[in-house]
Amino acid sequence: EIVLTQSPDTLSLSPGGRATLSCRASQTVTSSFLAWFQQKPGQAPSLLIFGASSRATGIPDRFSGSGSGTNFTLTITRLEPEDFAVYYCQQYGSSPCSFGQGTKLEIK
Amino acid sequence: EGHLVQSGAEVKKPGESLKISCQASGFTFTDYWIGWVRQMPGKGLEWMGIIYPADSETKYSPSFQGQVTISADKSISTAYLQWDSLKASDTATYYCARAYYSDSWGQGTLVTVSS
Repeated sequence: EIVLTQSPDTLSLSPGGRATLSCRASQTVTSSFLAWFQQKPGQAPSLLIFGASSRATGIPDRFSGSGSGTNFTLTITRLEPEDFAVYYCQQYGSSPCSFGQGTKLEIK
Repeated sequence: EGHLVQSGAEVKKPGESLKISCQASGFTFTDYWIGWVRQMPGKGLEWMGIIYPADSETKYSPSFQGQVTISADKSISTAYLQWDSLKASDTATYYCARAYYSDSWGQGTLVTVSS
C-alpha cells in the first residue's frame, strides 16, 4: 500500500499570497495518477487536480499541480479568502488507493 | 455532469446492521467506478473500496476488507455500503465518489453508533 505524506500539516498565509503544498509517496505513483482535493468545513471534498497536473472542470488557473514519481506539489497563487481550507492528495494508480493526512491552509 | 445523492443520517446501536445508499444521476452509472470514503470526526479521508457497477467487480482497502460490503444495483443506478454488525468506531461520515479520481462526490452520510 502506498503511503502519502503531506507537508506541512498547517500553512498560515495571508490573502494574496502563494501556497505550496507537498505530497510525498512511499513508492512511485503509477502514471502520475495523483489527485488533489479541497475540503471546507461541513462540506464534501471537491476535486481540484487529477493526473498530477490537470485541473478539474471549473477550477481557476490559480491552482496548479506538478510532480511525478514520488514527489508532487499543489501551488495556489493569489490566495483568495475562499481558498482557506484543508487540502488532501490521493493516489489512484495502485490499489488500494490512499489519501495523505491533509494540509490545513489557514489565514495568517 | 455527475450527481450523487446519498441517504440520510443514521443513528444505530452497536451490533446493529446498516446499509446506506448513493444514487447516481446525470451520467451512465455503468461507465464509472463508484468508491466509498470514510471520514471520522475531525479526521482525514480514508479510502474504503470501490465497485464497477457494470459487472460488480469490487476492490477493498485491506483496512476495510471483511468489515463492510460494497454493492450496486445498476437497475436503479445506486451503490451501497453495508455493515452486518456496527461498532462505536464506525461512527463517521461516509462519502461516495465517482471514479478512481473522485471527480464527483455525494453529500456524505453521517453514521452515529452509540449505545
